[in-house]
Amino acid sequence: TQLLEQSPQFLSIQEGENLTVYCNSSSVFSSLQWYRQEPGEGPVLLVTVVTGGEVKKLKRLTFQFGDARKDSSLHITAAQPGDTGLYLCAGARYGGSQGNLIFGKGTKLSVKP
Amino acid sequence: EAQVTQNPRYLITVTGKKLTVTCSQNMNHEYMSWYRQDPGLGLRQIYYSMNVEVTDKGDVPEGYKVSRKEKRNFPLILESPSPNQTSLYFCASRGVDSREAFFGQGTRLTVV
Repeated sequence: TQLLEQSPQFLSIQEGENLTVYCNSSSVFSSLQWYRQEPGEGPVLLVTVVTGGEVKKLKRLTFQFGDARKDSSLHITAAQPGDTGLYLCAGARYGGSQGNLIFGKGTKLSVKP
Repeated sequence: EAQVTQNPRYLITVTGKKLTVTCSQNMNHEYMSWYRQDPGLGLRQIYYSMNVEVTDKGDVPEGYKVSRKEKRNFPLILESPSPNQTSLYFCASRGVDSREAFFGQGTRLTVV
């Protein structure tokens, strides 16, 4: 059972466009994280959201945690070719082992010049 | 420099030949995990460890073993590899007071 559903799975856009990636679950999470992975490398943390309704901004990237702590979104404004990569959401569940971080399948983003 | 180091980066082996992928972290992290990443399936957790001598199964543990005899090391053992274990493997570590997981650079394993 995939606990974290990401959509879309693939996204190909032109430079300058905006986009939103979604991460949804029926489970409640104590926190949600977004990672970015480039080919040949391991995922690297972008942000952690902890409080329901929380919004965090990282330059052109805006992250939101749902009020019920079951979903999150990543919005990129004016995408650039350097944003190309695999975006992964990950969650630590309430009551679960602290070491057990669950990942979504990822959204593969391609930004064309 | 804080890092998670996996070895080897690439490995081609034959069915049934035991192999070990090593993972070492220099951040004194309590939590360590192994994941495999396959197209269309994402990152799936194989095993994780909350501290020395404490390990537990993740989502896809069949065919794998781990050990945590020292805090810094968390090797992944394939006793009898099979072609369906061909995958990209990642080791990750995390401190007990931190939510950020640090990943190694990955090990691309091919079993023929």
